[in-house]
Amino acid sequence: NAGVMQNPRHLVRRRGQEARLRCSPMKGHSHVYWYRQLPEEGLKFMVYLQKENIIDESGMPKERFSAEFPKEGPSILRIQQVVRGDSAAYFCASSPRQGAVVQPQHFGDGTRLSIL
Amino acid sequence: TQLLEQSPQFLSIQEGENLTVYCNSSSVFSSLQWYRQEPGEGPVLLVTVVTGGEVKKLKRLTFQFGDARKDSSLHITAAQPGDTGLYLCAGLKAAGNKLTFGGGTRVLVKP
Repeated sequence: NAGVMQNPRHLVRRRGQEARLRCSPMKGHSHVYWYRQLPEEGLKFMVYLQKENIIDESGMPKERFSAEFPKEGPSILRIQQVVRGDSAAYFCASSPRQGAVVQPQHFGDGTRLSIL
Repeated sequence: TQLLEQSPQFLSIQEGENLTVYCNSSSVFSSLQWYRQEPGEGPVLLVTVVTGGEVKKLKRLTFQFGDARKDSSLHITAAQPGDTGLYLCAGLKAAGNKLTFGGGTRVLVKP
């Protein structure tokens, strides 16, 4: 009964490098969400995706950040040219297809990104 | 400015005491979810409340959703050290799927 799987758990990058964070949703879940938790702050929504579609990216920084959820494989959150301020815990959540009944979001254990 | 305000931010009590955590907003949510997060891990869903005035119980935890669906509370009876953790409320608006989180309440239950 695998939950939401995120990897890597910890990622260290130098300023200017690229960071790729991966998320495999729970089995049967077709909706993926990415949240960011900055040190001493709460979780903030970044982006909501379904397979091959970005539904809501209102929380994504305008530059350097992108996300995808391909037909096959995990969802990827990509951060280009990382800066120190990108250091945070990045959480992925998934839910089944939303219908008349509210479907809760289940979270992975996150990727802790540290920028040197 | 937090759309969802949690209070208190930190709570330290002795084992056996009761505690209540509040989650307040000026906005209406279609549902509200409570999570608990341990250090180094992701939030774990405790409960989802949907209907105004709804009360749900999970062993010693009681969750209530306000009549107007703008606020919620979590009450823990006879707290145990195992209840120590960060409690997060998160609201879902009717028009979207993104969760809006409160700032969290850190609970410490001392033996």
